[in-house]
Amino acid sequence: AQSVTQLDSQVPVFEEAPVELRCNYSSSVSVYLFWYVQYPNQGLQLLLKYLSGSTLVESINGFEAEFNKSQTSLHLRKPSVHISDTAEYFCAVSTTYNPGGKLIFGQGTELSVKP
Amino acid sequence: AAGVIQSPRHLIKEKRETATLKCYPIPRHDTVYWYQQGPGQDPQFLISFYEKMQSDKGSIPDRFSAQQFSDYHSELNMSSLELGDSALYFCASRRWTGSNEQFFGPGTRLTVL
Repeated sequence: AQSVTQLDSQVPVFEEAPVELRCNYSSSVSVYLFWYVQYPNQGLQLLLKYLSGSTLVESINGFEAEFNKSQTSLHLRKPSVHISDTAEYFCAVSTTYNPGGKLIFGQGTELSVKP
Repeated sequence: AAGVIQSPRHLIKEKRETATLKCYPIPRHDTVYWYQQGPGQDPQFLISFYEKMQSDKGSIPDRFSAQQFSDYHSELNMSSLELGDSALYFCASRRWTGSNEQFFGPGTRLTVL
């Protein structure tokens, strides 16, 4: 079975400050890793994904994540946040084999960016 | 680009009533997933379909059933609704042979009174 732990339920930060949202996972089989963002009253949008290869993954809106196999983590970082980054962020895993592919989510981290 | 379509977006029902949620996947996506997100909770996997066959099942109550049709759209049928069924229901789709990246619809917000 797989599980995901997001270590911070809430992260308040000032605008233009750096931020790190932490995610650890547990799995006995190989997994894909994802970060999703959910703005208020909206659906889930994929931020970035780690499938294999380079441990550093970048997204188009300035976020990046680094995969650490030994620590089974995929922490999400952004060097300078904006007010518009205020949202709920979910880390998720899915197994690499088929059938299946369901996403198992962490509990979410609420990022609150203050001016 | 086309996205996942869910209807209705909002639904209000009374206890013990029945509800049907619909999901239209992205064109050429053959796999559909349903998730339930309670207030302040993370999304929980309910059920998935690949090529009109159930491919996996999660914590879906027996009162719920779902299917995928020949045009790949899916419906989630919920009977004997309870107050605790109030939640946001997401549908996601992907191509089976792809990288397992799932594309989510905007969700259906179900309120049971």
